[in-house]
Amino acid sequence: EVHLVESGGGAVLPGGSLRLSCVPSGFTFRSYEMNWVRQAPGKGLEWVAYISNTGYTTYYADSVKGRFTITRDNAKNSLTLHMTNLRGDDTAVYFCGRGGYGGPTEHWGRGALVTVS
Amino acid sequence: DIQMTQSPSSLSASVGDTITITCQASQDIGQCINWYQQKPGTAPEILIYDSSFLAAGVPSKFSGSGSGTEFTFTISSLQPEDVATYFCQQCASLPLIFGGGTKVEI
Repeated sequence: EVHLVESGGGAVLPGGSLRLSCVPSGFTFRSYEMNWVRQAPGKGLEWVAYISNTGYTTYYADSVKGRFTITRDNAKNSLTLHMTNLRGDDTAVYFCGRGGYGGPTEHWGRGALVTVS
Repeated sequence: DIQMTQSPSSLSASVGDTITITCQASQDIGQCINWYQQKPGTAPEILIYDSSFLAAGVPSKFSGSGSGTEFTFTISSLQPEDVATYFCQQCASLPLIFGGGTKVEI
């Protein structure tokens, strides 16, 4: 069974940094592209970042470009979102998801709450 | 960037009703649109992919159609367990924009 588990969320001051991790299981991680999607309190879903299965291609929402970095380690089965220069409007639950470009995000983690205040 | 305009933003219907949600893409996305259901405090779940294909384990009361720029999502025989927010998302090009969501109430 496919599982995605996020960790690393928490409270941080404006201008601070945080690193989110997503640990996959139940599938061959290196075969799938991955995404991060966030949801601010009471708001809709906002796509944040994409990484190809090899890690060679990444893409970011304009709202986080230059501040967030998505990386993956296929040897260690891990996905990371490094967030810097955090702002109040980055406060959200961050979900990692499998797939999404050219197809559906079939599997999602439970999310990690990031509070910038 | 492709923008997704979803409507209505909320709706209230009765048990047994059929409801329809629409998404309009700002440019042709073929059939690359997915529909998700999200209940409070949980992650989204895929219901429909590639405009009209039912995801595994999803009941046939959910359906989708459309191509190009106009898409519809339908729930037939609405039940209390269908209370949720529904989102469309285009998957044709990056960034993978979501629609604004439709909150469905009974």
